[in-house]
Amino acid sequence: DQQVKQNSPSLSVQEGRISILNCDYTNSMFDYFLWYKKYPAEGPTFLISISSIKDKNEDGRFTVFLNKSAKHLSLHIVPSQPGDSAVYFCAASARETSGSRLTFGEGTQLTVNP
Amino acid sequence: DSGVTQTPKHLITATGQRVTLRCSPRSGDLSVYWYQQSLDQGLQFLIQYYNGEERAKGNILERFSAQQFPDLHSELNLSSLELGDSALYFCASSPRGRNGYTFGSGTRLTVV
Repeated sequence: DQQVKQNSPSLSVQEGRISILNCDYTNSMFDYFLWYKKYPAEGPTFLISISSIKDKNEDGRFTVFLNKSAKHLSLHIVPSQPGDSAVYFCAASARETSGSRLTFGEGTQLTVNP
Repeated sequence: DSGVTQTPKHLITATGQRVTLRCSPRSGDLSVYWYQQSLDQGLQFLIQYYNGEERAKGNILERFSAQQFPDLHSELNLSSLELGDSALYFCASSPRGRNGYTFGSGTRLTVV
């Protein structure tokens, strides 16, 4: 049962343009969502998070949008840079039922072309 | 350097064998989590320890076990290994739950 899904295995964008990575979830108990970035041979690194009481959170070039009714979140990167090329994982947690464990999506490989 | 140390980085072993993966959490972090990433899949939660006690269990096989020691380092033991156990195994630590997760660089296990 894949509770967090990233339906696009890969995404390619031009440098300077916007990158939009999408994530869908099925568990209505999820109340906290995170995005992680992963380079080859490294562990995932935290990028940005959002609580279910918000619908948007912004940190520099990165913005996460949450649509609770659609059970959908997205990560926008503007402007995209070649150094952003990495695998991006969406993750979610439900404090009431699972404490601090995170449920991850399958990841999306982002390639930013110079 | 994330502050979470995992050893070894790579491990190649034969089917039926037993291995131990080690994780040293970031200084001061009491929670340790183990995740498995198989080919083209997301990270699957295995188990969490908090200050030496098991806190939560995920899709961890009975052939796998873990513990957290008084110095807070953790070990993941994998026994009767099968080809399908080949994966990246990540450890993460946090000071207080789902905020502030920090991952190690992982152990790549190859079972041949």
